[in-house]
Amino acid sequence: AQTVTQSQPEMSVQEAETVTLSCTYDTSENNYYLFWYKQPPSRQMILVIRQEAYKQQNATENRFSVNFQKAAKSFSLKISDSQLGDTAMYFCASSDSWGKLQFGAGTQVVVTP
Amino acid sequence: GAGVSQSPSNKVTEKGKDVELRCDPISGHTALYWYRQSLGQGLEFLIYFQGNSAPDKSGLPSDRFSAERTGGSVSTLTIQRTQQEDSAVYLCASSLASGVGANVLTFGAGSRLTVL
Repeated sequence: AQTVTQSQPEMSVQEAETVTLSCTYDTSENNYYLFWYKQPPSRQMILVIRQEAYKQQNATENRFSVNFQKAAKSFSLKISDSQLGDTAMYFCASSDSWGKLQFGAGTQVVVTP
Repeated sequence: GAGVSQSPSNKVTEKGKDVELRCDPISGHTALYWYRQSLGQGLEFLIYFQGNSAPDKSGLPSDRFSAERTGGSVSTLTIQRTQQEDSAVYLCASSLASGVGANVLTFGAGSRLTVL
């Protein structure tokens, strides 16, 4: 069984600033992936970044990076140089051996001018 | 197709009616997933297909919900005798194959169901 917890319902950040979203998870899988998806008002779920659990190096994707702490089962997302287009709901997720994703409740990020 | 296509985009129905929601995955994607997102909530897993078979249907909330996939492509989610609590956005996703290493899910834009 998997659980994913996002404890921040909403985060506000000014343009060009940095914001960090927290996520903790629990899984019985030995091999798994972790993901961050964003969902703008259009409803389209968009993959932001993914991390393979067996890799110690933190994944980065342009302005997005993660801090993966496997022992602590923590997987936070840092958005640097925030842009207005980053305004969206952000979901953390973990995968099981079937590839099925378990999602957290989401964090609404609002970027203000 | 270029992306995952879902129809209808929006559906309003009366309580007690049956509805069908359609998902057309990316061509060549063998794995297909249905999720439900209630207002302001996270995504709730419903069912997973690998080809035409459904190894995991553990998330279907009741026997009023069913899904099928034909030809390893299009999938239909059917809700019979709809109830107001069925109101939600139903999201479909597909991936090249199942299994942890292969799974980057691409999502459709969802079907918003409103039951009056």
